[in-house]
Amino acid sequence: SQTIHQWPATLVQPVGSPLSLECTVEGTSNPNLYWYRQAAGRGLQLLFYSVGIGQISSEVPQNLSASRPQDRQFILSSKKLLLSDSGFYLCAWSETGNAQPQHFGDGTRLSIL
Amino acid sequence: GEDVEQSLFLSVREGDSSVINCTYTDSSSTYLYWYKQEPGAGLQLLTYIFSNMDMKQDQRLTVLLNKKDKHLSLRIADTQTGDSAIYFCAEIFNYGGSQGNLIFGKGTKLSVKP
Repeated sequence: SQTIHQWPATLVQPVGSPLSLECTVEGTSNPNLYWYRQAAGRGLQLLFYSVGIGQISSEVPQNLSASRPQDRQFILSSKKLLLSDSGFYLCAWSETGNAQPQHFGDGTRLSIL
Repeated sequence: GEDVEQSLFLSVREGDSSVINCTYTDSSSTYLYWYKQEPGAGLQLLTYIFSNMDMKQDQRLTVLLNKKDKHLSLRIADTQTGDSAIYFCAEIFNYGGSQGNLIFGKGTKLSVKP
C-alpha cells in the first residue's frame, strides 16, 4: 500500500532563516506531488505541484520554492523566511492522470518568530 | 474563476444526522471529493463521487450530487463524537491542460455534542 511521510511535524524558525521541508511517498511510481499551505482561515492554498522529476509548477508567486530531485521526493524550501510564511504545510500525492484523488501527509506546523 | 463554497460551522447532537453542503462552479468537474481533517492532522479522503452519479453511499456516509445546481452534500448518519472535525469539499478544476488541480472549500467545522 502507498504511504506518504512529511517531516518535521513541527518547526519553529526565526525570520530570515532558511527552510527545508521534505515529503516522500512509498508504494507507487511516478506520482503527482503537491504542496499546500493552510493558513489560520482554514482554506487550503495550492503552492506547487509536480508531474515528474524536475518538473515543478508554481501556483502563486511567493517566497518559497519546490524541488523534486527524485521520483518520490518533494522538497519545499526558502532562502529567507518571512513572518507571513507561518502556517500548516501539507504534502499530497495522486496517481498520474487527471481527476485522481489526492492523499495527504500529516502536515508540518511552521511557526516563524 | 473557480470557487467552492461551504458553510463554516455545523453543530449537531450525538446520534443525529449531519448534512454538510457545498456548491461548486466548474460544471466540467469530473470528480468531487469530501475530505476530513481532525485537529492538527492532515486531510483524510473520505469519499468521492463521479459526476455522472447522483448518489453514493458508503456505510454511514451518503453523498448527493445535483449537477444542475452544482450542489454537493455529505450526510453522516448516527453522528458520533469522533466525527467532530473539519470537512472539506473539493472539485477538480481543469485548466485546459492534462493536469486538473483540486480546488478546496474553506471547510465546515462539525461539532458533535453528547
